[in-house]
Amino acid sequence: DIQMTQSPSSLSLSVGDRVTITCRASQDIRTFLNWYQQKTGEAPKLLIYSASSLQSGVPSRFSGGGSGTDFTLTISSLQPEDFATYYCQQSYSTLRTFGQGTKLEV
Amino acid sequence: QVQLVQSGAEVKKPGASVKVSCKSSGYTFTKFGITWVRQAPGHALEWMGWIDPYNVNTNYAQKFQGRVTMTTETSTRTAYMELRSLTSDDTAVYYCARDDGGYVSSFDYWGQGTLVTVS
Repeated sequence: DIQMTQSPSSLSLSVGDRVTITCRASQDIRTFLNWYQQKTGEAPKLLIYSASSLQSGVPSRFSGGGSGTDFTLTISSLQPEDFATYYCQQSYSTLRTFGQGTKLEV
Repeated sequence: QVQLVQSGAEVKKPGASVKVSCKSSGYTFTKFGITWVRQAPGHALEWMGWIDPYNVNTNYAQKFQGRVTMTTETSTRTAYMELRSLTSDDTAVYYCARDDGGYVSSFDYWGQGTLVTVS
């Protein structure tokens, strides 16, 4: 299976901060990479697909980048509703895998 | 609008089986796959497998091979996930999600989750 490793596992931040989360794949996955946001007690929500494409309805302060094995999710200016856990997920292999998550805390 | 509505919470004894349902609406059921993901308390999302309602092809994570069965019922637009030989490690929230089937497939709509407690 392709292993997905996120860093850091958690971050303490303030409203207005710029934050970048990293996701590394154990092999080249080109741009077969998606990002999800999950708030406590809720189902995950798709934010970014194909590494850098913004899902419809997602605010433009979210952006994704990278290809191959290294990817990033950036939030340009944190809003109160952005404090959540973020997961990367690869779709290169038919056996999909998620990263272990990055929790953004106030 | 696209909706996935899952069945209610379950409590099972070790060794038992559980079958979770996921009823879809708002799109053509046979044009998109259904993925199942679980999340143990305080843990990360874990992909379990996928089913194509069009041809009922399945693909299961190796961890669940032999213990999970994913099925669909086209007439009711419902997907099912059955997990057997439950242990306490299977206590988790189980989600279904639509696989958008794009070039880089992603899970664009999710059910509300079903809590399965094994005790």
